[in-house]
Amino acid sequence: QKEVEQDPGPLSVPEGAIVSLNCTYSNSAFQYFMWYRQYSRKGPELLMYTYSSGNKEDGRFTAQVDKSSKYISLFIRDSQPSDSATYLCAMSERGGADGLTFGKGTHLIIQP
Amino acid sequence: DSGVTQTPKHLITATGQRVTLRCSPRSGDLSVYWYQQSLDQGLQFLIQYYNGEERAKGNILERFSAQQFPDLHSELNLSSLELGDSALYFCASSAGTGSEQFFGPGTRLTVL
Repeated sequence: QKEVEQDPGPLSVPEGAIVSLNCTYSNSAFQYFMWYRQYSRKGPELLMYTYSSGNKEDGRFTAQVDKSSKYISLFIRDSQPSDSATYLCAMSERGGADGLTFGKGTHLIIQP
Repeated sequence: DSGVTQTPKHLITATGQRVTLRCSPRSGDLSVYWYQQSLDQGLQFLIQYYNGEERAKGNILERFSAQQFPDLHSELNLSSLELGDSALYFCASSAGTGSEQFFGPGTRLTVL
């Protein structure tokens, strides 16, 4: 079993839809959870950074962490064609004091 | 633009050779991380330096080494290169512990 599981997609939705992206993990020591967006052949761009369980909202993006279920989600409201990219979840035990463990990424396509 | 710079953007070399990848962190960041991204393995953490000292090690091969210099820039040295080392190599930086990691644009390495 991989440490972090993420459906690779592709996930195709119409413009304006609400997008739900998810990851599950097996390491209960993970405390820091992140979502990155990566356009083709570019560096990952940090979207959301959360500590422990709970919700965090930033503009059209909402991140949810459920440590009891070892499950994290990213919701994108009012999706735009420019949101088309690969979304990577990442986690760590000690925040910036260790490396991140990434999911393989979900390829998202927003249809105009 | 994350503020993290990496050179070169592309590198093409032959098996058995040695290359050096360079990274400059964001202004004020003390931590530098190196990651490898390949199609089959995804993004994998290699090694972390904090203010010149090695802080954490991930899946880094013995043929690979890194260092962080007094001006905080970092270099990743890859030696005895194999075809399977062809990948995108990313550098990330953070202010310190418990901090977000910001990624550079990457170096694409092709080993022929």
